[in-house]
Amino acid sequence: NAGVTQTPKFRVLKTGQSMTLLCAQDMNHEYMYWYRQDPGMGLRLIHYSVGEGTTAKGEVPDGYNVSRLKKQNFLLGLESAAPSQTSVYFCASRGRPDYNEQFFGPGTRLTVL
Amino acid sequence: QQPVQSPQAVILREGEDAVINCSSSKALYSVHWYRQKHGEAPVFLMILLKGGEQKGHDKISASFNEKKQQSSLYLTASQLSYSGTYFCGTHTGGSNYKLTFGKGTLLTVNP
Repeated sequence: NAGVTQTPKFRVLKTGQSMTLLCAQDMNHEYMYWYRQDPGMGLRLIHYSVGEGTTAKGEVPDGYNVSRLKKQNFLLGLESAAPSQTSVYFCASRGRPDYNEQFFGPGTRLTVL
Repeated sequence: QQPVQSPQAVILREGEDAVINCSSSKALYSVHWYRQKHGEAPVFLMILLKGGEQKGHDKISASFNEKKQQSSLYLTASQLSYSGTYFCGTHTGGSNYKLTFGKGTLLTVNP
């Protein structure tokens, strides 16, 4: 039982390049989330999903796209990376009902030059 | 809108107590607390629900004042392992399944 895993752990991009971050969970959770964490800003929600095939925008969605084609996977895409997207990205998942905890993945450290 | 946490940072000696506060401008359905150690992922501590139900850690306590839209986390007889950044996440209920996190409180426990 691996919990929540994220791929890759580290990545360096040049401005304008694209990439996809993969989040996978093996707990059969309905809800999945992508956050970014910047110094002094806490965790800010980028996009989230309440089930397979559904996605919704969070607080800071601009410049990102997501897909949830399979229940266990949640992908975060950057179409044209910008230096402002340098951050640590965390994926999380949660099962029903609403009072269950969120389980976080180990994070991806992304640097955009 | 992010909930406001206070203090932003606190330094303790082992064995001392600390209180971390979380305040929201919106009515709350639940409050979640997480701790994050440097370079690691946030780890769940506790959930407090509207109506008084709690779920979480045996050795950490918290309160939830629905009227004041506030929650407090109580860390008693602190240990070195308590060091880290504490985040509250607020849930406003309804069909909204997302948490809004505060900016965090950095707790340092020294020997």
